[in-house]
Amino acid sequence: QQQVKQSPQSLIVQKGGIPIINCAYENTAFDYFPWYQQFPGKGPALLIAIRPDVSEKKEGRFTISFNKSAKQFSLHIMDSQPGDSATYFCAAASGGYQKVTFGTGTKLQVIP
Amino acid sequence: EAGVAQSPRYKIIEKRQSVAFWCNPISGHATLYWYQQILGQGPKLLIQFQNNGVVDDSQLPKDRFSAERLKGVDSTLKIQPAKLEDSAVYLCASSLSGAGTEAFFGQGTRLTVV
Repeated sequence: QQQVKQSPQSLIVQKGGIPIINCAYENTAFDYFPWYQQFPGKGPALLIAIRPDVSEKKEGRFTISFNKSAKQFSLHIMDSQPGDSATYFCAAASGGYQKVTFGTGTKLQVIP
Repeated sequence: EAGVAQSPRYKIIEKRQSVAFWCNPISGHATLYWYQQILGQGPKLLIQFQNNGVVDDSQLPKDRFSAERLKGVDSTLKIQPAKLEDSAVYLCASSLSGAGTEAFFGQGTRLTVV
């Protein structure tokens, strides 16, 4: 059962572009929404996270937009750079022990 | 601060053999996770420990997978017997506590079952 749906599966943008990755969830018990960045051969690393009481969060060039009523959230990468080329996973967590469910991932390639 | 250590980095075994993975979490982290990441997919939680107790193992195939966390620190994940579909990267992660704190991942162990 896929509780977090992520799209697109892959994305190619030019340097300076603004890639947008979208996620949707079904479980209204989710109360923590992190985004992870993964480079080949490495484990995922937390990029930015948001809680449902906030509609937007910005950290550097990364912005999460959150729509609680639609049960959707998205990641925007401003002024994307070739070094941002990686796989991005959205995730959602719930419960006292914050069991994390990951999306299927988006492979981003930023072309110089 | 040292990160999450995992070993081995790579392992190739034949189906029906057994294999074990080891994880040393970040010092002081109470929560430890084992994830399975099949190529092209997101990580799937197999088991979550809080100190040395299991808080979630609902997606662990208990007929062949087992895990333990020794004295609330290191952990091992075992597969016996392995199947072809177990080929994946096994990721260990740890966090200070489960509740909304950042999980730090190790580099993973890439398992190939032939």
